[in-house]
Amino acid sequence: AQKITQTQPGMFVQEKEAVTLDCTYDTSDQSYGLFWYKQPSSGEMIFLIYQGSYDEQNATEGRYSLNFQKARKSANLVISASQLGDSAMYFCAMREMYSSASKIIFGSGTRLSIRP
Amino acid sequence: KAGVTQTPRYLIKTRGQQVTLSCSPISGHRSVSWYQQTPGQGLQFLFEYFSETQRNKGNFPGRFSGRQFSNSRSEMNVSTLELGDSALYLCASSLGLAGLSNTQYFGPGTRLTVL
Repeated sequence: AQKITQTQPGMFVQEKEAVTLDCTYDTSDQSYGLFWYKQPSSGEMIFLIYQGSYDEQNATEGRYSLNFQKARKSANLVISASQLGDSAMYFCAMREMYSSASKIIFGSGTRLSIRP
Repeated sequence: KAGVTQTPRYLIKTRGQQVTLSCSPISGHRSVSWYQQTPGQGLQFLFEYFSETQRNKGNFPGRFSGRQFSNSRSEMNVSTLELGDSALYLCASSLGLAGLSNTQYFGPGTRLTVL
């Protein structure tokens, strides 16, 4: 069965510093996708970045990058030069690609607070 | 391109009533998923529809049901509301079901309060 674990319930980071949000996953499938979402206090989930299990390079999207370590089954999100607007809940998610019962599952989230 | 829209945004109901929530996906997206989010349980998957067919269902009682129309719009229905159904209900759409096309884009949610 697939599982996502985010072990940091909350983090405080100084503005302009880089921050790493941890995510580990468990799956027996070889083909899967990993996603990160941001949820500000307004409630809407915002897609940040995607990594496929067969992608050889780590995904990057602007200030976001995904540190993908397949052997360790980790997919940490790195935010460079954090900004006050980065304060939000962050969710890691995974979907197995070819399982008939596949669905996206989410971790419990990490609440990131950026200090000015 | 317009994003995912959900109506209504806020809803107050009393126990025993039923409610229908609506979701319009991004144009061209054929998959719609529904989630319930509560402070205690986090984000929980309800069901997923693709081309009008339910592909997956989470572990929710039969009071929770959904459907998808030919234009990919989806509705979710909760009958015999309970206090514990108070939550933010999020709808997400994706282009397809594989790879990057699997990326789900979320609507703003419907906040349901059951009194």
